[in-house]
Amino acid sequence: GAGVSQSPSNKVTEKGKDVELRCDPISGHTALYWYRQRLGQGLEFLIYFQGNSAPDKSGLPSDRFSAERTGESVSTLTIQRTQQEDSAVYLCASSSQRIQETQYFGPGTRLLVL
Amino acid sequence: GDSVTQMEGPVTLSEEAFLTINCTYTATGYPSLFWYVQYPGEGLQLLLKATKADDKGSNKGFEATYRKETTSFHLEKGSVQVSDSAVYFCALSGNTGGFKTIFGAGTRLFVKA
Repeated sequence: GAGVSQSPSNKVTEKGKDVELRCDPISGHTALYWYRQRLGQGLEFLIYFQGNSAPDKSGLPSDRFSAERTGESVSTLTIQRTQQEDSAVYLCASSSQRIQETQYFGPGTRLLVL
Repeated sequence: GDSVTQMEGPVTLSEEAFLTINCTYTATGYPSLFWYVQYPGEGLQLLLKATKADDKGSNKGFEATYRKETTSFHLEKGSVQVSDSAVYFCALSGNTGGFKTIFGAGTRLFVKA
């Protein structure tokens, strides 16, 4: 596609429910990243994929968070048993395989946990 | 570990004023440095980047020079416009040969007409 797309754009859920966020990267981009941006704060790195593998999961805040990527394309970020502190904008970005390459960001999914 | 520190905002300037947003980093290797911008209601987009020491990145009148001796990558613009109002993020990546990117906390810029 022309750019990185994310769905849903907004999600409201109740505490304790599971949510799944989707990211479709730019076609051909082998690197994919997930970030969390809390209101008024910077980007918090969560995880990145190189192809379908995740060499660095160090940013996942707890074992309630998981992510997967298939076909070196779409990725899903799953949050189980959501808590109010999970409320944030979740951003996805992709880049070409070359290290230090520019990341292209999606519009984000705004998650609100009530 | 690696880190990026930006000056706190918000920064409020009048149109045509000179802009500096300070950014310093901590890294043991040789990262690339980036400035990303987030305009109101839009997603993050790359503004400029520099991949090695003494490189200068520039775009849309903005400039930043990769200074290894001071571990800095300050963003400057000679004459800001109202349309430059946005949040600016400094970032580094590729330090250890990996893809992990570290972002600063962001600096919000308001430009008044």
